[in-house]
Amino acid sequence: SAVISQKPSRDICQRGTSLTIQCQVDSQVTMMFWYRQQPGQSLTLIATANQGSEATYESGFVIDKFPISRPNLTFSTLTVSNMSPEDSSIYLCSVGPGLADYEQYFGPGTRLTVT
Amino acid sequence: AQTVTQSQPEMSVQEAETVTLSCTYDTSENNYYLFWYKQPPSRQMILVIRQEAYKQQNATENRFSVNFQKAAKSFSLKISDSQLGDTAMYFCAFMTSYSGNTPLVFGKGTRLSVIA
Repeated sequence: SAVISQKPSRDICQRGTSLTIQCQVDSQVTMMFWYRQQPGQSLTLIATANQGSEATYESGFVIDKFPISRPNLTFSTLTVSNMSPEDSSIYLCSVGPGLADYEQYFGPGTRLTVT
Repeated sequence: AQTVTQSQPEMSVQEAETVTLSCTYDTSENNYYLFWYKQPPSRQMILVIRQEAYKQQNATENRFSVNFQKAAKSFSLKISDSQLGDTAMYFCAFMTSYSGNTPLVFGKGTRLSVIA
């Protein structure tokens, strides 16, 4: 299994500012995924982050708005840029451990409120 | 593209009773994996149960079991002897990759309330 931590756990930000969310895993993993969960909604994939390459973004999400870094096999960051109230959501990272275990594990999430 | 549909936005059940949550999916893949995740108010996503599409036997985990109907593309979750701690959002999810290195596709969720 994998243990994932996220920082910050929650934040309240003003519109127009940016927030960087950190995701740390206790073991090396190939892929990391970033999801957004808007209030009362399901999880929507933002992007897939593979170490050593550019993140792959889903339709409706762009790198300028959600830049992602993946400097090593245990860490990733997601930045929410130029925030607006519509960005108020829970942001979750998850990892897929690999061939031996196809379960995906989730971090505790970051609750972002933009005022 | 794969889609996952949960047609019950909310459900309630009396403590100790049994409840079934519905999930259907659409895919052209033959090999895939299905999951039920639980999200309590703490917002931590917790894996409840998983099913490999190539296995005909329905998965069970203690009080949780699934009814997997591959031809009908149906994957329902049965919770027996419901407990207050089962109160949460439940998400059905789909994954194509053998390795787990592809993202999950989620349904919209079912909010389950267990009533004392």
